[in-house]
Amino acid sequence: NAGVTQTPKFQVLKTGQSMTLQCAQDMNHNSMYWYRQDPGMGLRLIYYSASEGTTDKGEVPNGYNVSRLNKREFSLRLESAAPSQTSVYFCASSPGTEDQPQHFGDGTRLSIL
Amino acid sequence: QKEVEQNSGPLSVPEGAIASLNCTYSDRGSQSFFWYRQYSGKSPELIMFIYSNGDKEDGRFTAQLNKASQYVSLLIRDSQPSDSATYLCAVNGNAGNMLTFGGGTRLMVKP
Repeated sequence: NAGVTQTPKFQVLKTGQSMTLQCAQDMNHNSMYWYRQDPGMGLRLIYYSASEGTTDKGEVPNGYNVSRLNKREFSLRLESAAPSQTSVYFCASSPGTEDQPQHFGDGTRLSIL
Repeated sequence: QKEVEQNSGPLSVPEGAIASLNCTYSDRGSQSFFWYRQYSGKSPELIMFIYSNGDKEDGRFTAQLNKASQYVSLLIRDSQPSDSATYLCAVNGNAGNMLTFGGGTRLMVKP
């Protein structure tokens, strides 16, 4: 009964390093999302994938790339990490219709020095 | 730009009281409304959703929606210290089920 699984849970990077955050869901959901959450800023959408094979930019896409590897997996890549990308990152999934809620993973706490 | 506004709080209520959390939204085309609870250091957890004008009750929780006033609220009856958390309002209005989140209201229930 895993739901949405994110790895890693914690990561510290140096400025300029790259890394990929992984997300997988086992609920057969069509849509998947990446958010970042900063103090006082709430949850902001970075990228989303409405269905397998499609990805679209959200509110704050700069500095990130995504890959919808298959229906289960949606990864977020930081090519050249910057201190401004220090945040908590959440992956979420939903069946894909507007009346259905999103379900969140436990988050990845990322610090960039 | 679509906006969802919440008072950041903290909202402090005594144990056993009713906590009232409010949310306003700017997009008149919004169709679905969700309340999430987020404990400190944890991920958002869905507690209620509402689509139609009026009230929807689930245990100690009641969601209220007024589309004409673009207002959605969450009432928590018999508040418990375990209800102390940040409550996020989320609004959907687009294809692809994108949600716009408010900044959240921090609720503190004092024993």
